[in-house]
Amino acid sequence: DQQVKQNSPSLSVQEGRISILNCDYTNSMFDYFLWYKKYPAEGPTFLISISSIKDKNEDGRFTVFLNKSAKHLSLHIVPSQPGDSAVYFCAASANQGAQKLVFGQGTRLTINP
Amino acid sequence: EPEVTQTPSHQVTQMGQEVILRCVPISNHLYFYWYRQILGQKVEFLVSFYNNEISEKSEIFDDQFSVERPDGSNFTLKIRSTKLEDSAMYFCASSLTGANSPLHFGNGTRLTVT
Repeated sequence: DQQVKQNSPSLSVQEGRISILNCDYTNSMFDYFLWYKKYPAEGPTFLISISSIKDKNEDGRFTVFLNKSAKHLSLHIVPSQPGDSAVYFCAASANQGAQKLVFGQGTRLTINP
Repeated sequence: EPEVTQTPSHQVTQMGQEVILRCVPISNHLYFYWYRQILGQKVEFLVSFYNNEISEKSEIFDDQFSVERPDGSNFTLKIRSTKLEDSAMYFCASSLTGANSPLHFGNGTRLTVT
């Protein structure tokens, strides 16, 4: 099942710089997209979401961009902090009633001091 | 901040045994879910539950699996006769509503079937 793909298994960024995590999807029925952060031995923590009627959503240091024509979304974290080091998952759903999320395989972000 | 809690954090069981994984969703949430992550694989959807019934389930969620909300606070996943391939991290989640409502996950139960 490759409906949601995160092509970069890992990313290393200097503290204070911008982190950009990317995600591609294939199912044109998806209309709600989310980013989660996950630390070892914990569950995914919700970060930010975007509905397909928007192309940008911002919450503090986190901004999600959605390009529907390219079926691509990205998460920008600026400035990056050491506590941002974690695995980041994008997820998508066809927004009908309960959320059957389809997850990407995750990108491990490491913030270097 | 309210959170989803899961017990136990780790469960070891023998093949063929029944296990029950327990979850307490966020109190005012209306939708409940189970997801799982086999080691090295993606997080995958198992089942959603709303208004005291299953609203959707995946192909993984066969007759060996069942869910229940036995009271106003708990949400359980039962695996009737565990198989080796059921070994995974099981995550419970809840959301306030359905559409456009982010899921909030618990910290998971690691199930090891020997």
